[in-house]
Amino acid sequence: GESVGLHLPTLSVQEGDNSIINCAYSNSASDYFIWYKQESGKGPQFIIDIRSNMDKRQGQRVTVLLNKTVKHLSLQIAATQPGDSAVYFCAERRQGYSTLTFGKGTMLLVSP
Amino acid sequence: NAGVTQTPKFRVLKTGQSMTLLCAQDMNHEYMYWYRQDPGMGLRLIHYSVGEGTTAKGEVPDGYNVSRLKKQNFLLGLESAAPSQTSVYFCASARLQGSQETQYFGPGTRLLVL
Repeated sequence: GESVGLHLPTLSVQEGDNSIINCAYSNSASDYFIWYKQESGKGPQFIIDIRSNMDKRQGQRVTVLLNKTVKHLSLQIAATQPGDSAVYFCAERRQGYSTLTFGKGTMLLVSP
Repeated sequence: NAGVTQTPKFRVLKTGQSMTLLCAQDMNHEYMYWYRQDPGMGLRLIHYSVGEGTTAKGEVPDGYNVSRLKKQNFLLGLESAAPSQTSVYFCASARLQGSQETQYFGPGTRLLVL
């Protein structure tokens, strides 16, 4: 299987719990943020994004919170399911640039 | 609509050999990217392109070259492979929408250099 999860922070939760995955970003000039999910052996999959003029955005079972004061991003997953087990990456885009900078990822393990 | 596809899926090379990784997207996206992913390192940008005929260096460009001769294709070349280039390579594409740029990824190419 994939070894991308080696040395990653890991969050272990029970099925049905709510999960919160945190990310500290580096650049105060970043204006766009994305969360990706990567399952073993697959490419990253878009989950949700948020612009810097917002502090909260909700999707289906997921919520992203942005705190620009402390440069912190979080992903909340409601009623976590075993299928949510994956590595989650946050990414930021600096204003005026066309590239993303990715965090190192957090592994989420969901037990039945 | 296949999205982003990558070929090959897996390859083994000997040190010094060359190869080309192909990325194709059918979403008419302007932007395309090549990343490498190593354990504990996240995704690091190798090269990218903001349009047909244009390329630019990313964070870790050394040892790689790219070409974007057609809008839908982005090629990544290794002229003389080294063991340090053993990695999983991901291609992504994006269509800039206002100030947003959601990148969509391919399934990856696993490269082992002996």
